[in-house]
Amino acid sequence: AQTVTQSQPEMSVQEAETVTLSCTYDTSESDYYLFWYKQPPSRQMILVIRQEAYKQQNATENRFSVNFQKAAKSFSLKISDSQLGDAAMYFCAYRSANTGNQFYFGTGTSLTVIP
Amino acid sequence: DADVTQTPRNRITKTGKRIMLECSQTKGHDRMYWYRQDPGLGLRLIYYSFDVKDINKGEISDGYSVSRQAQAKFSLSLESAIPNQTALYFCATSDRWKSSYNEQFFGPGTRLTVL
Repeated sequence: AQTVTQSQPEMSVQEAETVTLSCTYDTSESDYYLFWYKQPPSRQMILVIRQEAYKQQNATENRFSVNFQKAAKSFSLKISDSQLGDAAMYFCAYRSANTGNQFYFGTGTSLTVIP
Repeated sequence: DADVTQTPRNRITKTGKRIMLECSQTKGHDRMYWYRQDPGLGLRLIYYSFDVKDINKGEISDGYSVSRQAQAKFSLSLESAIPNQTALYFCATSDRWKSSYNEQFFGPGTRLTVL
């Protein structure tokens, strides 16, 4: 099974500042997909951003962007102009393109936004 | 609106009781999943189903069973609940034909407490 590691259990950021959440993964495959999900206090899991391993360009969704380093097996999430509504647990997830459709999730990073 | 719903949203039960968690979706997706979330452990896959006749065990299937009654319905059963099954349970769906990413869409979760 693939391993997804989020080494920062908790992070905090000042409102309007930028924060980067780390994610690394372990795989021997070359084709896969990576995702960041957000879980606010409502506990709903919300897809934030996604990246295909074969795409060299880093994905961007409004204030959210990723830094995908395939060789380093790193997939960090950058949140710019942080807002109070960004406070949540963030999960990184991996899906193989070849071996079924199982998602492997990291243990999450709890983000606090300080007003 | 297309959605993934779970019932009940919260449930308290006693050790040894049989309990069923239900999931329904109106997204028309073919694939459905059950996860449990525990603090510090992220989401772990219990069972998944690629269609009505295709059900597979996930990482932590012991103590659980599932039934895919229709493409839109996927239920999770705890035959004899035990306290360490206290967790937040999520149902998710995806569709291999609608997106190469096959991202998963989650229900609102069921908070289960086993006393």
